[in-house]
Amino acid sequence: DIVMTQSPDSLTLSLGERATINCKSSQSVLYSSNNKNYLAWYQQKPGQPPKLLIYWASIRESGVPDRFSGSGSGADFTLTISSLQAEDVAVYYCQQYYSAPATFGQGTKLEIK
Amino acid sequence: QVQLVQSGAEVKKPGSSVKVACKASGDTFTSNAISWVRQAPGQGLEWMGGIIPVFGTANYAQKFQGRVTIIADESTSTAYMEMSSLRSEDTAMYYCARARRREAAPGKSAFDIWGQGTMVTVSS
Repeated sequence: DIVMTQSPDSLTLSLGERATINCKSSQSVLYSSNNKNYLAWYQQKPGQPPKLLIYWASIRESGVPDRFSGSGSGADFTLTISSLQAEDVAVYYCQQYYSAPATFGQGTKLEIK
Repeated sequence: QVQLVQSGAEVKKPGSSVKVACKASGDTFTSNAISWVRQAPGQGLEWMGGIIPVFGTANYAQKFQGRVTIIADESTSTAYMEMSSLRSEDTAMYYCARARRREAAPGKSAFDIWGQGTMVTVSS
């Protein structure tokens, strides 16, 4: 199974600051045949199911604010929130879907200072 | 816009079985896979397996092979996850989730629509 490792485990920032969450996979999730990275990012707020933010490593899901962006390729990926809002307090997960079983990172808890 | 609506919370004894339902409303099943993902209290997300309803064949994570059965009933647009030989470590929130990509094998897509979750508590 592909192991997904996120860093940091938790992050405390002030409103308006930039948040950066990293995700590393134990093997590349880039499919050479279509040049796509099989990597997604989710946001989970307390008491709610996860919400898809980003797929194909950098494509924002419909309705997701443009302060959220994804980057990276191969085995190293980043989720960036350009200017932190109060409603962004949540746990964030990366997920690879390159090979079954789909696997998730351990999560990064984002809090406001 | 399709929604996934899951059945209610369950409390089960160790060694028993549980069956959780996930009904698609607002649309019928298509060729998008439905997966099951669980989350133990305070823990992360774990993919269990999934099924493409129109094809009917399920795939499972090795950890759950033999103990979990996933089926889909196209006539009612409902997917089911049944787990047997329950133990306390199976206490978790169980989510169904739809694959964003049509005809992608279960687990080989991002998940764009999630059910609200079903809490399963295993306790003697």
